[in-house]
Amino acid sequence: QSALTQPASVSGSTGQSITISCTGTSSDVGAYNYVSWCQQHPGKAPKLIIYEVSNRPSGVSNRFSGSKSGNTASLTISGLQAEDEADYYCTSSTRSNIHVFGGGTKLTVL
Amino acid sequence: QLRLQESGPGLVKPSETLSLTCSVSGISIRSSDYYWGWIRQSPGKGLEWIGSIYDSGSTYSNPSLKSRVTISVDTSKNQFSLKLSSVTAADTAVYYCARHIRGALDYWGQGTLVTVSS
Repeated sequence: QSALTQPASVSGSTGQSITISCTGTSSDVGAYNYVSWCQQHPGKAPKLIIYEVSNRPSGVSNRFSGSKSGNTASLTISGLQAEDEADYYCTSSTRSNIHVFGGGTKLTVL
Repeated sequence: QLRLQESGPGLVKPSETLSLTCSVSGISIRSSDYYWGWIRQSPGKGLEWIGSIYDSGSTYSNPSLKSRVTISVDTSKNQFSLKLSSVTAADTAVYYCARHIRGALDYWGQGTLVTVSS
C-alpha cells in the first residue's frame, strides 16, 4: 500500500491561510470519509486535529478545517500563528483495513 | 482521562525480536468501538503504521512488515503488545501506541525510542 502524497513543505505568513493537500486513490482517501489529520511538533507525539474529513476534536481551534474531493483531501489553516509551525500528516483507512499515512508536510510560519 | 504508555527495551540487537507493551488507563481495552495500534517514526522521517488489533483479537498489519509483526492484547492487564522479529538497523525508530476509530488516531502514547544495534 503506497503512502498518501503530501507536499514536503508549505509556508505562510502570520495571519494568512494555507492549504495542505493529501492525494490518495479510490482504495483509501476516495473510498471512505475516514481521512484524518494530525499535527506533530518536534520531539512530541502527534496530535489529532481533524477526523472523518472535516470534524475537529474537542479543544482544537476552529482555524483548522478539512475537506475532501474525490481522492484528494485538504487541510486548511486560517489565521496562521507561530504555534502552528509543525509537521502535518494525513491518514486514511483503506478498503483492506490497512491504515496509511501521508509523507508529512512541514509548515513554516514566516 | 485516557492515557497510553509504551514500555520495553530501548536497545535491541540485530536479528532479535523487538517487544513493546502499551499500557492503557482511563478506558477498558475491551471497548468494542476501538482499534489499538502501533505506529513508528524513524529518525527524521515520517509516520509509518505498523499494525492494529481489535478487541476481538483480529489483527491488521502493514503489508511491508506483516511477516515480522505480531500484535496481541491482554485484557486482564489492559495492555496490548507488539513483537517485531528479525530486526535490523532500519527498524530503529520511535514507536508509538495509539487508539484509533474510523481511521483517526485520537490518543497517542508519548513514544519510546528503540535502537537496533549490536
